[in-house]
Amino acid sequence: EAGVVQSPRYKIIEKKQPVAFWCNPISGHNTLYWYRQNLGQGPELLIRYENEEAVDDSQLPKDRFSAERLKGVDSTLKIQPAELGDSAVYLCASSPRDYGYEQYFGPGTRLTVT
Amino acid sequence: AQSVAQPEDQVNVAEGNPLTVKCTYSVSGNPYLFWYVQYPNRGLQFLLKYITGDNLVKGSYGFEAEFNKSQTSFHLKKPSALVSDSALYFCAVRRNSGNTPLVFGKGTRLSVIA
Repeated sequence: EAGVVQSPRYKIIEKKQPVAFWCNPISGHNTLYWYRQNLGQGPELLIRYENEEAVDDSQLPKDRFSAERLKGVDSTLKIQPAELGDSAVYLCASSPRDYGYEQYFGPGTRLTVT
Repeated sequence: AQSVAQPEDQVNVAEGNPLTVKCTYSVSGNPYLFWYVQYPNRGLQFLLKYITGDNLVKGSYGFEAEFNKSQTSFHLKKPSALVSDSALYFCAVRRNSGNTPLVFGKGTRLSVIA
């Protein structure tokens, strides 16, 4: 079974530039999560999707971050414009459903904003 | 609010010795508890979970954890450590109801010395 796929793996951009991350979850997984992991910290949830609906985006900085999950499969997370403090690893995860199931994580995208 | 404490940033253990990685949590209501492991430049991998039932949970690679409700703990254990167990370990908790996210600890780096 293929795992969660993310691209790109690494991205270096200058501040104020836009950036986008892509995630393809495990086939059949209805729930998709985006996390941000700062250095030396655990992942923090940015947004959770149930199929194509964003059901928890309370931690998403909506002034510069946006996300979509068209057709309830692939998802894209965008930052515009990026700030120095956005440097982190952005992780995508999926699970069959939300409650009671473990989440399967992709390898992440390491973003460096200079 | 939910929270997880991993009191040790680093745990060192000799190969073949038992290992323990500590985790305590705070959640209103009953918890779902998880352990994940992260190897360099890779996403988090699920090890084990406590949802309900037996307090002793067995997981991947010979790891186990014991749910202790009175002490609000979920320590990760393994009877005999391997050098290949060296990695970053994360404990995570969420309430078993309601629209609440999975909250991760800061992680504990395990180093198994040959």
